[in-house]
Amino acid sequence: GEDVEQSLFLSVREGDSSVINCTYTDSSSTYLYWYKQEPGAGLQLLTYIFSNMDMKQDQRLTVLLNKKDKHLSLRIADTQTGDSAIYFCAEKELTGGGNKLTFGTGTQLKVEL
Amino acid sequence: DSGVTQTPKHLITATGQRVTLRCSPRSGDLSVYWYQQSLDQGLQFLIQYYNGEERAKGNILERFSAQQFPDLHSELNLSSLELGDSALYFCASSPRPNTGELFFGEGSRLTVL
Repeated sequence: GEDVEQSLFLSVREGDSSVINCTYTDSSSTYLYWYKQEPGAGLQLLTYIFSNMDMKQDQRLTVLLNKKDKHLSLRIADTQTGDSAIYFCAEKELTGGGNKLTFGTGTQLKVEL
Repeated sequence: DSGVTQTPKHLITATGQRVTLRCSPRSGDLSVYWYQQSLDQGLQFLIQYYNGEERAKGNILERFSAQQFPDLHSELNLSSLELGDSALYFCASSPRPNTGELFFGEGSRLTVL
């Protein structure tokens, strides 16, 4: 089965860039996702990347995909205190008529002043 | 606000009991997903429904069952509860059955004593 791994914690200073890394194992994954979970809330989709892309930029967010190494990263530019949250990467597996997302363990980002 | 509504927000019950968690998807979304989030196992996919039909199944225990009704709301039934079932149960919805772009509710926190 799929196994998606992330480092557990990341601490950065406000205004710096944050880089959250993820490794996945299913080479057939077509889409990879980044979700954000704030305290006491559900997950919120941030961005996604199609597997034939190397990079996708969306405002302060940059997603890099290295398909050869099965490595995905999320860079947040000019990190703000409001970015403090848990970030999950996820890969999609198509299953017959549906799909399931396999989520990583989550990386807790702490932004310090 | 994702538009996905889950009730109850918190539930405390005893081992051996049965509970029902309810989810109303975003208006217009036909697909509903259930996920379990716990400290030891992270986010685990349980089951997906699309327009009333089961479409994908994950690591859902036999003691758990779910259904999606004609009005598209869904219920997750957990029976013969064990201490290890204590977790946050998320419902998510999407307009299509094979997309990883999910909209999550705020979750139902179940505590089994």
